Amino acid sequence: DTAVSQTPKYLVTQMGNDKSIKCEQNLGHDTMYWYKQDSKKFLKIMFSYNNKELIINETVPNRFSPKSPDKAHLNLHINSLELGDSAVYFCASSRTGTSGGMETQYFGPGTRLLVL
Amino acid sequence: GENVEQHPSTLSVQEGDSAVIKCTYSDSASNYFPWYKQELGKRPQLIIDIRSNVGEKKDQRIAVTLNKTAKHFSLHITETQPEDSAVYFCAATAGNQFYFGTGTSLTVIP
Repeated sequence: DTAVSQTPKYLVTQMGNDKSIKCEQNLGHDTMYWYKQDSKKFLKIMFSYNNKELIINETVPNRFSPKSPDKAHLNLHINSLELGDSAVYFCASSRTGTSGGMETQYFGPGTRLLVL
Repeated sequence: GENVEQHPSTLSVQEGDSAVIKCTYSDSASNYFPWYKQELGKRPQLIIDIRSNVGEKKDQRIAVTLNKTAKHFSLHITETQPEDSAVYFCAATAGNQFYFGTGTSLTVIP
């Protein structure tokens, strides 16, 4: 049931620190995503990688930098953390279908980030 | 780009009643419409999906309908149970991107 895994599950840190969140999927999917979910529960897309190439980069501060070392991993590094970065961050993955459209997304368990 | 609107934002129903959540989308190229359920403190999980070549799909107490002409799709839950209480998200996909609705918080009152 841990097809998409994230570490750490909880992250409490001080403003100004730099932190990383790791994501791995063992589903053989070719596309991976990072979402931010705030207290209002909106799921906001941040980044999307297809076969290690960045394909979506929404309006996100450049303090956030994704890195995809291979198709199974998409890590998120955050510099100079701010109070407003506190949220739950979800990694997800999906597969490109035979017709070119996307198949179902599978989400990781989330990383609860609290910036003090 | 695509714009997905979801209504209502909150919904309370008595146990055993039906619940309906509606979503509209703007991009006629969208061709895949999944619905996700997110329980408190958990990850969103797929509960049902529909593709643009199908008008309706049912899985036990859950059904989804799609009206491509009007660009809207709906989630129907019948005989609701307390364990159906959660936040439900609709989504539409166009190309590589998933566009999520803003979520509906469903409460089933025993």
